[in-house]
Amino acid sequence: AQTVTQSQPEMSVQEAETVTLSCTYDTSESDYYLFWYKQPPSRQMILVIRQEAYKQQNATENRFSVNFQKAAKSFSLKISDSQLGDAAMYFCAFGDTGRRALTFGSGTRLQVQP
Amino acid sequence: DAGVIQSPRHEVTEMGQEVTLRCKPISGHNSLFWYRQTMMRGLELLIYFNNNVPIDDSGMPEDRFSAKMPNASFSTLKIQPSEPRDSAVYFCASSLSTGKVSPLHFGNGTRLTVT
Repeated sequence: AQTVTQSQPEMSVQEAETVTLSCTYDTSESDYYLFWYKQPPSRQMILVIRQEAYKQQNATENRFSVNFQKAAKSFSLKISDSQLGDAAMYFCAFGDTGRRALTFGSGTRLQVQP
Repeated sequence: DAGVIQSPRHEVTEMGQEVTLRCKPISGHNSLFWYRQTMMRGLELLIYFNNNVPIDDSGMPEDRFSAKMPNASFSTLKIQPSEPRDSAVYFCASSLSTGKVSPLHFGNGTRLTVT
């Protein structure tokens, strides 16, 4: 079974600064996908970014980028120029082609200080 | 695109009562998922359907929980009888599953409180 670990229960960043959220996973699969979801206080789950394991290039979406280290099974999220609206819970998730459901990590609560 | 629609948004019920949560997936999506979120256990998969057929229900806690998907546009999660430990936020999500892993699109969740 796949496992996803987020070792940082809480993180804090100053507005306009950069923060990196960590995620590691364990799998024996070779074809899989990784995702970061954001959950603001409204509790809506919002897709932030996705990475396909067979792609070596790290995914980027505006201020959000990932550092995907396949050998190390690491998938960190970098948020640049942090904004107050980035304050939320962030969940890392894993999915493989054999099972459509995603496995989620325990989440990291990000606080953004003005 | 209306997104995944869940109802009700909040549900408060007494222990022993039957609870039914409802979900309308995004039109055209062929996979539907039910997750439960609690502080202690995080986001847990309860069950998922592909083309209206249950594929994996190993996350359903016990026989008190049941889920149905009678057609491509509707699913229910039923708890009977409900217990205080069932209090949680229940999410429905859908995706268009092809050969690749597709991102899940979540509804806004139902917060269930069992007293």
